Amino acid sequence: DIQMTQSPSAMSASVGDRVTITCRASQGISNYLSWFQQKPGKVPKRLIYTSSSLQSGVPSRFSGSGSGTEFTLTISSLQPEDFATYYCLQHNSYPFTFGPGTKVDIK
Amino acid sequence: EVQLVESGGGLVQPGGSLRLSCAASGFTLSEHYIDWVRQAPGKGLEWVGRTRDKAMSHTTEYAASVKGRFTISRDDSENSLYLQMNSLKTEDTALYYCARSSDNWNDVLHSWGQGTLVTVSS
Repeated sequence: DIQMTQSPSAMSASVGDRVTITCRASQGISNYLSWFQQKPGKVPKRLIYTSSSLQSGVPSRFSGSGSGTEFTLTISSLQPEDFATYYCLQHNSYPFTFGPGTKVDIK
Repeated sequence: EVQLVESGGGLVQPGGSLRLSCAASGFTLSEHYIDWVRQAPGKGLEWVGRTRDKAMSHTTEYAASVKGRFTISRDDSENSLYLQMNSLKTEDTALYYCARSSDNWNDVLHSWGQGTLVTVSS
């Protein structure tokens, strides 16, 4: 199975900060990597698919990049509604596997 | 409105069985890949399994943690699908979501239901 790691596991940031979250795969997954945002008590929401494609309706301050084994999610200017947990998901091969999550909270 | 609605969760004893349902509205379920994802209380997301669309004969894939115990099936006439869970363990306690995916590797888990809670406890 492909193992996914994320760094950092948690971070504190301020409104307006640029935030970067890294996701690494234990083997190459091409660009079959998606990012999800989950707020407490809410359903996960897809932000990015195939590494860098922005989901319709998601603000352009979110962007994704990477290929192979290393990927990043960037929030260019953190907004109050962005405080949440972010998960990456590899969908290159079965079983699909999520990263452990990165919690972004308010500094 | 396109919607997925899970139901069937509840309290079950270890070793017991439970069947979850995922009902669709606003689209034809048989034409889509559907995945199950679960989240244990306070924990991260775990992919459970998938059923492919009718064109792919509704074939399935499962995570190792549930393979042989969980089965995904469909009732196209009801526009629904099911997650039959047998030999339940306490570690199966989680909120279970069904989510829609496209029939290609690029576009997965783009729409989610609200989830149904399964508690396995004596």
